This record gives sequence, C-alpha cells and structure tokens, in this order.
Amino acid sequence: DAMVIQNPRYQVTQFGKPVTLSCSQTLNHNVMYWYQQKSSQAPKLLFHYYDKDFNNEADTPDNFQSRRPNTSFCFLDIRSPGLGDAAMYLCATSRGVGRDLRRELFFGSGTQLSVL
Amino acid sequence: GESVGLHLPTLSVQEGDNSIINCAYSNSASDYFIWYKQESGKGPQFIIDIRSNMDKRQGQRVTVLLNKTVKHLSLQIAATQPGDSAVYFCAENGGSNYKLTFGKGTLLTVNP
Repeated sequence: DAMVIQNPRYQVTQFGKPVTLSCSQTLNHNVMYWYQQKSSQAPKLLFHYYDKDFNNEADTPDNFQSRRPNTSFCFLDIRSPGLGDAAMYLCATSRGVGRDLRRELFFGSGTQLSVL
Repeated sequence: GESVGLHLPTLSVQEGDNSIINCAYSNSASDYFIWYKQESGKGPQFIIDIRSNMDKRQGQRVTVLLNKTVKHLSLQIAATQPGDSAVYFCAENGGSNYKLTFGKGTLLTVNP
C-alpha cells in the first residue's frame, strides 16, 4: 500500500547532540511537511517542501533544518536538541494541487523524540 | 494571531450514542476544513473534509457541518463505537492551497 513511513519510531538523543529523523513516501506527492506535536497539543507546522522549494514557518527555530534530496525522502535535522524539543515529529504529504482542488494531508505514524 | 480552536477538550459518550465535536475558527480566509482522528501513538488519520462552498457533508457514520457566518465547524459521529475513542482535530487552510493549521483537539472517550 502507498504510504508515508517514518523512521525510527522512537528516537532518544542527548541534550545538544544532533539528530536526524527520516521520512519516505510512496504516494509520489509533491508536498512534504514536518509537524511537531507535543503531548496533548495540536500538531504545529515547522516547514514544508513544495517539490524542491523549501518553505519555513516564521516561528520555526533555526535549530530545525530540513532536507529533501528527492521526491520520496525528507529529513528533519535538529542541530542541538534541547529538552523542549522532546515531542512527536510527524511527517505528512499532499498532492499540492491547485486552489480548486484542496486535498488532505497524509500522515506517517510519527517519531517520538526523547532528549536526555 | 488567527487560530483554530475547540470548545470542548474532552467528551465522554456511551456506546451507541451520537457524538458531536465542535470547532471554532477565526481565519476568514479559510475555505477548506478537515477533521482528523488521532489514536494514541499514531499519526492523524483523515476522516472527512468540507469546502467553504458547502455547509454539510456526509460520510460513513460521520457528518461535518460548516457555519461560515459564525465560523463554526462540527463533526457528528453516529452510533459511536469504542473504536471511535481518540483525539479529534479540526484543521483549516487559511486560504492556502496546501497548508493546514490544527485546532487543539478533543478527546473522545466511548464507554461500553
């Protein structure tokens, strides 16, 4: 089945130690997103790629970076994780079609990040 | 800033009852809305969507109502089942082609 796959499911890192989270998709969608979701809160958009065009949210800290080497893969890099960065990180995709054809986002199962 | 929020953080119902989850939005530019279901430890799962040129849309056991006058969205679940227990989020696009902003979520608990 076509899907959005996130690895690893759980990630533990140390305070200040760089960490990379991975996402792949078999949907061939042109838009990929990274959301951060803290406990009992709504997912918060960090940034998204429309094809190769990177779009950062205004309030996303510089500590968070992303790479999209090809259509299928997208990575979230946290350069110096702090305790406040512990959260579920959700990858999502969408077809990114025109204005008259809004479409839903398809989410992966997330990576739960712990910072020690 | 503009945001999407929910009136009730928790909702507890009996199995077989109907559930209604409400959502208020404030961005008048939003013209696309979605309800997602999120079970513990999983990513959000699409339930139903609605465009601003509609005021009602029905799916299997679910109905979404949109009242643009008061900027209100609701999700109705008929004959609620234990498997419906989850957190439900509304999301709106703020006029964007492909960005979604999520509301705070409502925890639905279905008692057998």
